[in-house]
Amino acid sequence: KAGVTQTPRYLIKTRGQQVTLSCSPISGHRSVSWYQQTPGQGLQFLFEYFSETQRNKGNFPGRFSGRQFSNSRSEMNVSTLELGDSALYLCASSRAGGSSPLHFGNGTRLTVT
Amino acid sequence: KQEVTQIPAALSVPEGENLVLNCSFTDSAIYNLQWFRQDPGKGLTSLLLIQSSQREQTSGRLNASLDKSSGRSTLYIAASQPGDSATYLCAVRPRGNNRLAFGKGNQVVVIP
Repeated sequence: KAGVTQTPRYLIKTRGQQVTLSCSPISGHRSVSWYQQTPGQGLQFLFEYFSETQRNKGNFPGRFSGRQFSNSRSEMNVSTLELGDSALYLCASSRAGGSSPLHFGNGTRLTVT
Repeated sequence: KQEVTQIPAALSVPEGENLVLNCSFTDSAIYNLQWFRQDPGKGLTSLLLIQSSQREQTSGRLNASLDKSSGRSTLYIAASQPGDSATYLCAVRPRGNNRLAFGKGNQVVVIP
């Protein structure tokens, strides 16, 4: 069974640009969550999608947005990139229901110059 | 706001010793707690999930306990091996959503 797939693995962008990251969940998983990981702040929750609806959102500016498609695949977008957006962005999927474990992908490493 | 703490931030142990990693959280109203492993430059690998009604979970050399009332969880790794070198993260999940609150992790080095 394939795991959570995130593309691309690495991205280099300049300030002011925008970027789109993609996540394909494990087959059968309907919940997709996004996290940002930085050395200083650790792992922070961005948002969660379930059945194409945003179910929860973390404390990030409106430049961070996401969506989920009918096949449960998800994308997140960051507009007007800032240097501080450099991070590892991780996607996690789980089955419906809070008792199921979250499974993470290998992440997208975003570097903003 | 849920705060999750993992102490120590880093530790080294000789191969064969048992590892004991601690996680504490401030709000005991959790749904479950999950332990992860992260290798450098990689994503998170799920190790164990403990539901709030459970006291412990075991998988091979790994055992995790949960004391919800005191806000503590412990991950035991028996007979450590160099391949156990990694960062171990604990995360608590509230009821109703997948908004996990993570600790900063325990960076473990097992010395051959």
